[in-house]
Amino acid sequence: DVKVTQSSRYLVKRTGEKVFLECVQDMDHENMFWYRQDPGLGLRLIYFSYDVKMKEKGDIPEGYSVSREKKERFSLILESASTNQTSMYLCASRPLRLRASLSGANVLTFGAGSRLTVL
Amino acid sequence: LAKTTQPISMDSYEGQEVNITCSHNNIATNDYITWYQQFPSQGPRFIIQGYKTKVTNEVASLFIPADRKSSTLSLPRVSLSDTAVYYCLVGTLTGGGNKLTFGTGTQLKVEL
Repeated sequence: DVKVTQSSRYLVKRTGEKVFLECVQDMDHENMFWYRQDPGLGLRLIYFSYDVKMKEKGDIPEGYSVSREKKERFSLILESASTNQTSMYLCASRPLRLRASLSGANVLTFGAGSRLTVL
Repeated sequence: LAKTTQPISMDSYEGQEVNITCSHNNIATNDYITWYQQFPSQGPRFIIQGYKTKVTNEVASLFIPADRKSSTLSLPRVSLSDTAVYYCLVGTLTGGGNKLTFGTGTQLKVEL
C-alpha cells in the first residue's frame, strides 16, 4: 500500500516562528499536494507539485511556501507563523498516470495530518 | 476546473440507506468523480470512483446521470461507524499539474 507519512502529528508554535511540515511518500508518486482543513471550510489546496523542484499555487498559497528537492518529499513552510494558520494540514500524493480503478489504487492517498497550533 | 457543491450535513439512523448528492455543473469530458471518507483526526480515504452510469463496490454505490452534472453516493444500511465527512472530488486521472480541489464535504451523522 502507498504510505504517506507526515512527520509531526501535533505541533505548537509561537507567532512569528518559521515552521516546517514534512511529508514523505514511498511509492514514487510524481504528484504531491498540501491541503489545510478548517471547520466548515472543507479541504483547501495550498500548493501542489508534479515533479522535483516544480510547484504550483493552489487556492490559498498566501503565507506559505513549499519545497520539493526530492521526489519522495514535499515540505510546507510557514515563513512567519500567524494565529490564523492554526489548522489541520494534510499531505497527499498520487501517480502521474492513472487508471480508473474500482479499488482506488490510483487515487489521492493522504497522510494522517499535522495539527498545528500557533499561539 | 469543476467546482463541487454538497449538503453541509445529513442525519440518519442505523440500517437506513443514505444518499449524498454532489453537484458539479462544469465537469469536463476527461474528469472522473471520486468520493472520499474522512474520520476525525485522519486523512480522507478513497471510497469509490466512476465516470458515468453506476458503479458498485463492497462499500458503496455511485450513481452518475447521463449529463454527469451531479453524482450520488449511496451507502446501504449505514451503521454508527459510517459517521464521517464525505467529500466528492472531480478531476482528470492523467497528467501532472492538476489542481485537485475539494468542496466543503458532507458531515454524515448516524444515530441508533
